[in-house]
Amino acid sequence: RKEVEQDPGPFNVPEGATVAFNCTYSNSASQSFFWYRQDCRKEPKLLMSVYSSGNEDGRFTAQLNRASQYISLLIRDSKLSDSATYLCVGLLSSASKIIFGSGTRLSIRP
Amino acid sequence: DTGVSQDPRHKITKRGQNVTFRCDPISEHNRLYWYRQTLGQGPEFLTYFQNEAQLEKSRLLSDRFSAERPKGSFSTLEIQRTEQGDSAMYLCASSTSTSGRPTGELFFGEGSRLTVL
Repeated sequence: RKEVEQDPGPFNVPEGATVAFNCTYSNSASQSFFWYRQDCRKEPKLLMSVYSSGNEDGRFTAQLNRASQYISLLIRDSKLSDSATYLCVGLLSSASKIIFGSGTRLSIRP
Repeated sequence: DTGVSQDPRHKITKRGQNVTFRCDPISEHNRLYWYRQTLGQGPEFLTYFQNEAQLEKSRLLSDRFSAERPKGSFSTLEIQRTEQGDSAMYLCASSTSTSGRPTGELFFGEGSRLTVL
């Protein structure tokens, strides 16, 4: 079983829609989580950290549920520029490894 | 440009040849990571360094792979006797750590794309 698992998508939604992605992790020792964004043929870049209390950054909301071992990302009022692959990332602090999920592809259509 | 740089950006080689990739991290970052990414997959962890010490290696990193960071600055990733299955994008990333614990923000280079014929 992969340490971090995501639905690969693709998600194809109209502009303005709300879309949510989930990610599950298998190692309860994972301490910190993040969402990264990767545009086609580009390197991944940090989108936002994920806190247990939930956190929001503009149209983006991230949640962490430690009891169920999943992380979510909600994008409201989606824009064409949100089209990308979203990578769920866990920091396994016991080994200081940073593990990426396989990514969820999002395509926003006009 | 003070970001992470990787060289070469593209490498085409014949099966059985050796290849070496170089990564220059952000200068004040003490942690350096190597990942491999294939089409449709997320980056797969290969190894990481804190300063010059290689602290962990993935089981993906076979005996043909070796990574070094001799002076705690730039790093090299060498693949010996390349196989077609080694074709991938090799990504380097750097980050800082706080009290010895890594932050989760990785700064990636643009990658070195390897094609093994």
